[in-house]
Amino acid sequence: AQKITQTQPGMFVQEKEAVTLDCTYDTSDPSYGLFWYKQPSSGEMIFLIYQGSYDQQNATEGRYSLNFQKARKSANLVISASQLGDSAMYFCAMREIYNFNKFYFGSGTKLNVKP
Amino acid sequence: DVKVTQSSRYLVKRTGEKVFLECVQDMDHENMFWYRQDPGLGLRLIYFSYDVKMKEKGDIPEGYSVSREKKERFSLILESASTNQTSMYLCASSLSSGQHNEKLFFGSGTQLSVL
Repeated sequence: AQKITQTQPGMFVQEKEAVTLDCTYDTSDPSYGLFWYKQPSSGEMIFLIYQGSYDQQNATEGRYSLNFQKARKSANLVISASQLGDSAMYFCAMREIYNFNKFYFGSGTKLNVKP
Repeated sequence: DVKVTQSSRYLVKRTGEKVFLECVQDMDHENMFWYRQDPGLGLRLIYFSYDVKMKEKGDIPEGYSVSREKKERFSLILESASTNQTSMYLCASSLSSGQHNEKLFFGSGTQLSVL
């Protein structure tokens, strides 16, 4: 079974609007971490936000927030007030406590921000 | 600023050639990783190293080997390149603190084409 599932291969959003990128995960570990990365056309993966499985509150970093629903095993990324520079690939990733050095990545979502 | 440097951004090789992809990090990280990125498949782990001269296979090690003679440098070797190894290769590093929120730092990637 897939550890990380991103069901939206591509998405469009109007500049200045909010957008949600979906991510669901599969784990039986009691403790894990969830990450979102951005990959612009330049190729480098840029860390955006982290959520720990025991964190009580949803993580936020500037315009990025993580809508963490543990019971549903979802960790959606919300980008508020989209900018043209947000156009990129976005990857969701998970790290489990029992396989600590391994990060599982989803297949990614290509976001296009329209002016 | 932290840095993971991959020696080449683009590389074109012929089938059967021995190919070396080099990665250097300046953050004194214990862990280093090689991923392969293909459209629709996300990132897949080829090998990782948790210390000098130590390595472990990832999900797709076949056709690849690695070398880590110094802490800061991790090399990926394609012993006899084949066309199905045409891909984007990403190097990453991380601390080994045992904390869940330790993230991966990535290089800019090497787009390898095998003709």
